[in-house]
Amino acid sequence: KQEVTQIPAALSVPEGENLVLNCSFTDSAIYNLQWFRQDPGKGLTSLLLIQSSQREQTSGRLNASLDKSSGRSTLYIAASQPGDSATYLCAVLDPGNTPLVFGKGTRLSVIA
Amino acid sequence: DVKVTQSSRYLVKRTGEKVFLECVQDMDHENMFWYRQDPGLGLRLIYFSYDVKMKEKGDIPEGYSVSREKKERFSLILESASTNQTSMYLCASTKDRGSNQPQHFGDGTRLSIL
Repeated sequence: KQEVTQIPAALSVPEGENLVLNCSFTDSAIYNLQWFRQDPGKGLTSLLLIQSSQREQTSGRLNASLDKSSGRSTLYIAASQPGDSATYLCAVLDPGNTPLVFGKGTRLSVIA
Repeated sequence: DVKVTQSSRYLVKRTGEKVFLECVQDMDHENMFWYRQDPGLGLRLIYFSYDVKMKEKGDIPEGYSVSREKKERFSLILESASTNQTSMYLCASTKDRGSNQPQHFGDGTRLSIL
């Protein structure tokens, strides 16, 4: 059974730093991997989706990479801002297209 | 833009009540999902549906049921609410199976059972 792990559970950085959030999964045979952002008390917002045939995706200051063979993905945030403070979740979709399997998220605080 | 709308942001009910949580999506998505989210436990899948009148159990279906009479609407039903069902409930949808399009979420319903 696919399992998704995100470490650390929480992270605090000063404004302006570049940072990396980590996601690992146990079964490398995935269909795609998705990164989401969740603000307190709100739903999840899709940030980036990486298909299994892709190595990375970029959107503005965000870059997500995928290494299927090692079962890892990273979300790189450049020049972090206080508005980036949120919980970031990754999720994988298996080839059988069963529902997404989510990690528990990393809670990011960017301090001004 | 895809819009997933949950009928209530906050809801307070009493134990034993039958509770309905409604979710509507406006982009003709085939797949719809109900999750609950609790601190330290993450997102847990309750039920999902890949088509009208179809439903599949997720990881924690006990105490819940669902209804999907129309493609755009997916309802979660707490048959007899209990205090351990106090939680944040999130609805989501995706276009179809095998689609490389992201999953879209509603804003959530914070449900308190007293």
